[in-house]
Amino acid sequence: SAVISQKPSRDICQRGTSLTIQCQVDSQVTMMFWYRQQPGQSLTLIATANQGSEATYESGFVIDKFPISRPNLTFSTLTVSNMSPEDSSIYLCSVEDFTSGGLWDETQYFGPGTRLLVL
Amino acid sequence: GESVGLHLPTLSVQEGDNSIINCAYSNSASDYFIWYKQESGKGPQFIIDIRSNMDKRQGQRVTVLLNKTVKHLSLQIAATQPGDSAVYFCAETPTDSWGKLQFGAGTQVVVTP
Repeated sequence: SAVISQKPSRDICQRGTSLTIQCQVDSQVTMMFWYRQQPGQSLTLIATANQGSEATYESGFVIDKFPISRPNLTFSTLTVSNMSPEDSSIYLCSVEDFTSGGLWDETQYFGPGTRLLVL
Repeated sequence: GESVGLHLPTLSVQEGDNSIINCAYSNSASDYFIWYKQESGKGPQFIIDIRSNMDKRQGQRVTVLLNKTVKHLSLQIAATQPGDSAVYFCAETPTDSWGKLQFGAGTQVVVTP
């Protein structure tokens, strides 16, 4: 199955600054997704990132706050801009991986996450 | 809006016993369901999935049951072990939604010796 890594694994940032999170996959994938998991809560989809097109954002998330890049089929970045303490969360990328035994070609598998604390 | 939710936020299980984690969903268009396990400090790990044309699917020590009539999903873990301690999430999607999973609230499973 695909191996997904994220950098940084965790960070502590000052309010008003920006952080770029990287997601790297060891195989080519069509669709990559970015999720936010606020403390003690479930996962919420931020956006879908496809190579060669603009990311598609979910309701409540905007490109100015969470710009995403997808330069190729194995890499994506999510930037959390102008951070406030409310942005303290775990940010997770996921990819579809039809080789991993799921019943559906678009079953998603997750990276380890980036734990962000904004002071 | 339509949502996926869990009945119990915390489940305490004695080692060796069976665990049952429940999930209710409300999107009648959903035709694919997944259970994930998230250990502390890690990303969600795929456990097992099921399609809407199935009632039951078994994996290694896990069974997922789907009741479409009452829109209910459950995960059964046999002979629960300390390594099963984690938060379990159900997720659902219509397969024509281009991978947009909607997650339930999560159940914390605590395995006691």
